[in-house]
Amino acid sequence: GAVVSQHPSRVICKSGTSVKIECRSLDFQATTMFWYRQFPKKSLMLMATSNEGSKATYEQGVEKDKFLINHASLTLSTLTVTSAHPEDSSFYICSASQGGNSNQPQHFGDGTRLSIL
Amino acid sequence: AQSVTQLDSHVSVSEGTPVLLRCNYSSSYSPSLFWYVQHPNKGLQLLLKYTSAATLVKGINGFEAEFKKSETSFHLTKPSAHMSDAAEYFCVVRGNSGNTPLVFGKGTRLSVIA
Repeated sequence: GAVVSQHPSRVICKSGTSVKIECRSLDFQATTMFWYRQFPKKSLMLMATSNEGSKATYEQGVEKDKFLINHASLTLSTLTVTSAHPEDSSFYICSASQGGNSNQPQHFGDGTRLSIL
Repeated sequence: AQSVTQLDSHVSVSEGTPVLLRCNYSSSYSPSLFWYVQHPNKGLQLLLKYTSAATLVKGINGFEAEFKKSETSFHLTKPSAHMSDAAEYFCVVRGNSGNTPLVFGKGTRLSVIA
């Protein structure tokens, strides 16, 4: 089945550090990838939609200069949290879509737990 | 706009008893609906999806969901709960193409008591 690999699974770093999270589709080409953020005991909130070869579309309230998204190929999207602060600590999850009909599921990575000290 | 409402934030059942997790949806057209499960500090796993081919959808691990248009519901059920079913469950609706994002419900935490 379709597999999405997300790396790293956990990051602990100092305030002011920039952190890059990778999302790879391992056995399919993902024309679109999505980045979600999940606060403790909360649901997933869509941050941005990443389309290969074009700029990401950010949801309202998400700072594009803070959360840099690059989708350079059909199998890789990256999210960089720039100059991270403690309030950026969260669980970040990516998903990838093969496109097609709306009943095709998205495939999720295992998430990245980001902790900023 | 589409949305889903999960009617219970927390459900607790005894092991071996039935599970019912409720979800109502709102959509201006025929929706695509999914149930995902998330175990602690893990990503999401697809349990089942509604494709409009059949209103009763069977998923993994013995879970089922029935699409009821008249009630705008897509409740998740399982005849007999297992300890390993304890997790967070999300009812999800999607836009009208494969490249549109998912809209998540707030989640229902299922606890299974021995």
